[in-house]
Amino acid sequence: GENVEQHPSTLSVQEGDSAVIKCTYSDSASNYFPWYKQELGKRPQLIIDIRSNVGEKKDQRIAVTLNKTAKHFSLHITETQPEDSAVYFCAASRGFKTIFGAGTRLFVKA
Amino acid sequence: DTEVTQTPKHLVMGMTNKKSLKCEQHMGHRAMYWYKQKAKKPPELMFVYSYEKLSINESVPSRFSPECPNSSLLNLHLHALQPEDSALYLCASSQNRGPFATYGYTFGSGTRLTVV
Repeated sequence: GENVEQHPSTLSVQEGDSAVIKCTYSDSASNYFPWYKQELGKRPQLIIDIRSNVGEKKDQRIAVTLNKTAKHFSLHITETQPEDSAVYFCAASRGFKTIFGAGTRLFVKA
Repeated sequence: DTEVTQTPKHLVMGMTNKKSLKCEQHMGHRAMYWYKQKAKKPPELMFVYSYEKLSINESVPSRFSPECPNSSLLNLHLHALQPEDSALYLCASSQNRGPFATYGYTFGSGTRLTVV
């Protein structure tokens, strides 16, 4: 079946450094790629998304890139802050179906 | 109103009990979802409703019974659950108006369910 692989599972960075999380999807019909941030004990929140007809999108300190040919997409967080510490889920969607990656636990050390 | 509201926040139920989880949104979203999330795992899709009709059932056991009374409300009826059903149950909604245009989710805060 369809799946989304996400790496790394854990990422620890120093405050101010950049963080990169990478995902690979298997369903070539996926056309929408959201990223969710889930802080401990809270709901997942959509932080950025990208559609299949776009290669890159940026919103302040976060950016996403998509390589449709390779079925890869990545989240880049620059100038990380302690409040960026959370679990980040990538996802690949087609219609009503969204497949989530396993998550990356990001620790930002002050 | 840009929120999805879920009640109750916590629920403890016995294996012979019947209970219901409730979800409400007033954003005009016509797609609503139930997800199950175990600790340290991603959300897993259970059900999708589009325009109050069940569109997707991800082979969920019949002890979970969804209901969409109107465009703002989504219920999940629980009966004869097992301890392994203990999890965070998340409701979500999205602007999807059909199976082709896809949008991100607004999640509720979830109901943390414990089956004893």
